[in-house]
Amino acid sequence: AQTVTQSQPEMSVQEAETVTLSCTYDTSENNYYLFWYKQPPSRQMILVIRQEAYKQQNATENRFSVNFQKAAKSFSLKISDSQLGDTAMYFCAFMNFTGTASKLTFGTGTRLQVTL
Amino acid sequence: ETGVTQSPTHLIKTRGQQVTLRCSSQSGHNTVSWYQQALGQGPQFIFQYYREEENGRGNFPPRFSGLQFPNYSSELNVNALELDDSALYLCASSFWRAEQYFGPGTRLTVT
Repeated sequence: AQTVTQSQPEMSVQEAETVTLSCTYDTSENNYYLFWYKQPPSRQMILVIRQEAYKQQNATENRFSVNFQKAAKSFSLKISDSQLGDTAMYFCAFMNFTGTASKLTFGTGTRLQVTL
Repeated sequence: ETGVTQSPTHLIKTRGQQVTLRCSSQSGHNTVSWYQQALGQGPQFIFQYYREEENGRGNFPPRFSGLQFPNYSSELNVNALELDDSALYLCASSFWRAEQYFGPGTRLTVT
């Protein structure tokens, strides 16, 4: 079974600074995707960034980038120039393809607080 | 383009009752997945529907069932509600195995 571990329950960063959220996962599969989702207090889960395991190049979406280390099974999220609107729970998620289904397995989340 | 919508927003039920939650998928998507998110936890996969058939299921009992309709919308039904079923229920749609986009969720409280 796949597991996703987020070892930082809470983090705080000042506005305009950079913060990195950690995620490790465990799988024996070779074909999978990794995601970071953001869940603000409004509770809607918002897709932040996606990484395909077969791609060596790290994904980037504006201020968000990942450091994907496949051998170490590590997938961290870096948020640059943090903004107050980045305050949210951040979930790391692993997608595998069991049979025909594409199932997401989530970590327990990191609560990020951006302060003035 | 309309995103994923869910109804109702909130629901309060009594133990032993049955509940139906609804989800409309995003335009162009043909796959719907349902997740249960307990307070303070990450979402847990319940099941997935593709072309009106269940094509994957998580570790949930049979009293959790679903449907997908020809327009790709979906329902989640839970029978014989238990107190532990109190959670946020999230629906996500996708185009087959692509990234999943979530709706705002339905908060279910079982008393």
